[in-house]
Amino acid sequence: EDKVVQSPLSLVVHEGDTVTLNCSYEVTNFRSLLWYKQEKKAPTFLFMLTSSGIEKKSGRLSSILDKKELSSILNITATQTGDSAIYLCAVIPNAGNMLTFGGGTRLMVKP
Amino acid sequence: KAGVTQTPRYLIKTRGQQVTLSCSPISGHRSVSWYQQTPGQGLQFLFEYFSETQRNKGNFPGRFSGRQFSNSRSEMNVSTLELGDSALYLCASSPAANEKLFFGSGTQLSVL
Repeated sequence: EDKVVQSPLSLVVHEGDTVTLNCSYEVTNFRSLLWYKQEKKAPTFLFMLTSSGIEKKSGRLSSILDKKELSSILNITATQTGDSAIYLCAVIPNAGNMLTFGGGTRLMVKP
Repeated sequence: KAGVTQTPRYLIKTRGQQVTLSCSPISGHRSVSWYQQTPGQGLQFLFEYFSETQRNKGNFPGRFSGRQFSNSRSEMNVSTLELGDSALYLCASSPAANEKLFFGSGTQLSVL
């Protein structure tokens, strides 16, 4: 059975701090790994990673995939209160769009 | 471009009833998938439809079913509701397989 584990479960930081969120996976047929941010209801797409070692960046957020270690990290630099959310990691198999999600990391950024 | 639209936003039902949830994908997207989100189990895959065919199904009982129409709109149905079915039901669409999914705001179902 495919499995995705995220750590830490929750994190409280202050504005300006840098955070690193972790995601490890055990899947039968790995195709891609996705990161989402969920503030209220709809998870919003952040990154999709397919190749190992390539860093994807968007502003203060970046993510990298390590296929050898079966893991990924999501970095957020210079955090802001608007970064407070649940961050979800999911893996997508070779066939179809049947995502397996991790339990999420709840990030709270205090002013 | 309009996003993924789910209706209704909220639903309150009693045990034993049935419910139908609706999802309109982003225009041009042919894949629609459904997920159940609960505090205890997180986000779990229900099923995926592509061009009106169910392509994948998660580990949920037969009370959970769905379908997709020729315009890619999808519905999911839950019959004989149980208290444990209370959850946020999220729909996601994508252009094809192995592409990023875009989620709707969900339907919050409460079963009393």
